[in-house]
Amino acid sequence: DQQVKQNSPSLSVQEGRISILNCDYTNSMFDYFLWYKKYPAEGPTFLISISSIKDKNEDGRFTVFLNKSAKHLSLHIVPSQPGDSAVYFCAALGGSNYKLTFGKGTLLTVNP
Amino acid sequence: DVKVTQSSRYLVKRTGEKVFLECVQDMDHENMFWYRQDPGLGLRLIYFSYDVKMKEKGDIPEGYSVSREKKERFSLILESASTNQTSMYLCASSLDVSAYEQYFGPGTRLTVT
Repeated sequence: DQQVKQNSPSLSVQEGRISILNCDYTNSMFDYFLWYKKYPAEGPTFLISISSIKDKNEDGRFTVFLNKSAKHLSLHIVPSQPGDSAVYFCAALGGSNYKLTFGKGTLLTVNP
Repeated sequence: DVKVTQSSRYLVKRTGEKVFLECVQDMDHENMFWYRQDPGLGLRLIYFSYDVKMKEKGDIPEGYSVSREKKERFSLILESASTNQTSMYLCASSLDVSAYEQYFGPGTRLTVT
């Protein structure tokens, strides 16, 4: 049973435009959400997070939106740059403070 | 900066061999984790440890064991490697129970032939 779902395996956008990556979750116990970025042959790196008491968190070009009633979050990247091309993982935390549950990832390609 | 290092970037082993994957973090983190990443499956938690000599099973512990004798080091052991354990293995650490962000190592690409 997949508790964190990233339904788009890939996304392609033009440089300078907005990238929107989506994530849905099923477990209502999740109360903290994170986005990680992963380049090939490297480990994931933390990008941005949001607590369930908020509905938006912004850090430079990256903004995460949380809709608790829909159990949906999204990552917006504006403007997109070719260096943003990577796999993006959504992750959720709840119940146990140690364990992150990851989605399967979305491959973002930003074309020059 | 937090640094998580893994002993090998690439490893090739034969079926039935005992395999050790080592992970070291240099930031005095309490929690350490082992994941495997497979295409189309994302990151799946194998084991984690929240203190020296303490361990808990993750989502897919079968065929694996772990050891944490020192705070900075967390080892993943494949007792008898099988071809279905060919994967990218990722180690991560986090500060303590109050910190949700995990820091990842570069990964070990293990091939079992």
